[in-house]
Amino acid sequence: KNEVEQSPQNLTAQEGEFITINCSYSVGISALHWLQQHPGGGIVSLFMLSSGKKKHGRLIATINIQEKHSSLHITASHPRDSAVYICAASGAGSYQLTFGKGTKLSVIP
Amino acid sequence: GAVVSQHPSWVICKSGTSVKIECRSLDFQATTMFWYRQFPKQSLMLMATSNEGSKATYEQGVEKDKFLINHASLTLSTLTVTSAHPEDSSFYICSAPGGGNIGNEQYFGPGTRLTVT
Repeated sequence: KNEVEQSPQNLTAQEGEFITINCSYSVGISALHWLQQHPGGGIVSLFMLSSGKKKHGRLIATINIQEKHSSLHITASHPRDSAVYICAASGAGSYQLTFGKGTKLSVIP
Repeated sequence: GAVVSQHPSWVICKSGTSVKIECRSLDFQATTMFWYRQFPKQSLMLMATSNEGSKATYEQGVEKDKFLINHASLTLSTLTVTSAHPEDSSFYICSAPGGGNIGNEQYFGPGTRLTVT
């Protein structure tokens, strides 16, 4: 069974700061997902990646398959980025996701 | 992008009654959908995998007779919480993989907040 660990658990940043959230997993995967959950509860899929790096606006996700590690970066953070960020791994040959416990990000103006 | 809807977005029911939650894929077909529950300040926990045209697969510890899942069409899965109790109060979320390939991006519904009084 895959274990997905995230760090930090909580993160407070000043507006404009560069933010990094880390995720590690224990066994091989087919894809690593980064999700965003706002206080209302709805979940948005930010990235799905199986290698390399993806960028969308101020968000960047990277993955190192050999090290079983992924990072989510937010450049020029803004209060509207405040949310819980969750990484989730889908195992080889499966749709099912194993979730990390999430990182609660608060960006202060 | 692909959209998954859930209905209702919130519901309050009395203990002992049953509640049905719908999960729809609006612009794609989903032979598989997943149902999760989330307690406050905790991560999502997979409850069951809903399979179109066949029985759902439940995770260990999830009572299949209490959480009835029906996936009657390629765009609709329903979760019925039967004889609801206050401890069933939670946030229920569904997701569906967008496409036929393993590892495809998953699309999440907005969630349904259930409160049992």
